Amino acid sequence: EDQVTQSPEALRLQEGESSSLNCSYTVSGLRGLFWYRQDPGKGPEFLFTLYSAGEEKEKERLKATLTKKESFLHITAPKPEDSATYLCAVQAFQGAQKLVFGQGTRLTINP
Amino acid sequence: KAGVTQTPRYLIKTRGQQVTLSCSPISGHRSVSWYQQTPGQGLQFLFEYFSETQRNKGNFPGRFSGRQFSNSRSEMNVSTLELGDSALYLCASSFQPGQGAPGANVLTFGAGSRLTVL
Repeated sequence: EDQVTQSPEALRLQEGESSSLNCSYTVSGLRGLFWYRQDPGKGPEFLFTLYSAGEEKEKERLKATLTKKESFLHITAPKPEDSATYLCAVQAFQGAQKLVFGQGTRLTINP
Repeated sequence: KAGVTQTPRYLIKTRGQQVTLSCSPISGHRSVSWYQQTPGQGLQFLFEYFSETQRNKGNFPGRFSGRQFSNSRSEMNVSTLELGDSALYLCASSFQPGQGAPGANVLTFGAGSRLTVL
């Protein structure tokens, strides 16, 4: 059974304090690993897709990396507007478009 | 370009009733998926439709059903509502991935329909 575990559950940082979020996964044939951001009362917003180990993608203060067993979302010099829940999900080759999500990391950036 | 539209945004029902939720995908997207989000279980896959056919189904009881129309719009129905069905129901759409189509399998989510069962 495909499984995703995210850590920590919650993370509180000061503005400008860099950190990383972890996503460990097991999947029967990885088609893609996805990172989404979700704000309260809204649907998840797509950030990145990673397809193979060693791949990295960047967007503003965020950088996602992928190994064969886990992915990291690095946040550099975060700002209060980066506060949100960050969700990791995997999509297997078997299973059409189905995503298996982790529980998410609730990130709070204090000014 | 309009995003994924879900209606209604909020609704309150009582136990035993049934509910129908609607989803209009992004224009050109042919795959529609439904997810249930609760504080305890997180986001859980309900089902996926493509070209009016259910391609995949999650581990939910038969009270949960869905369908897709020829214009790709989708509906999901929950019958005989239980208290535990209170949740945010999210719809997502995507292209049908094809060869050499990077990113075609990215799911774009709507804002959700928040169901409260009393």
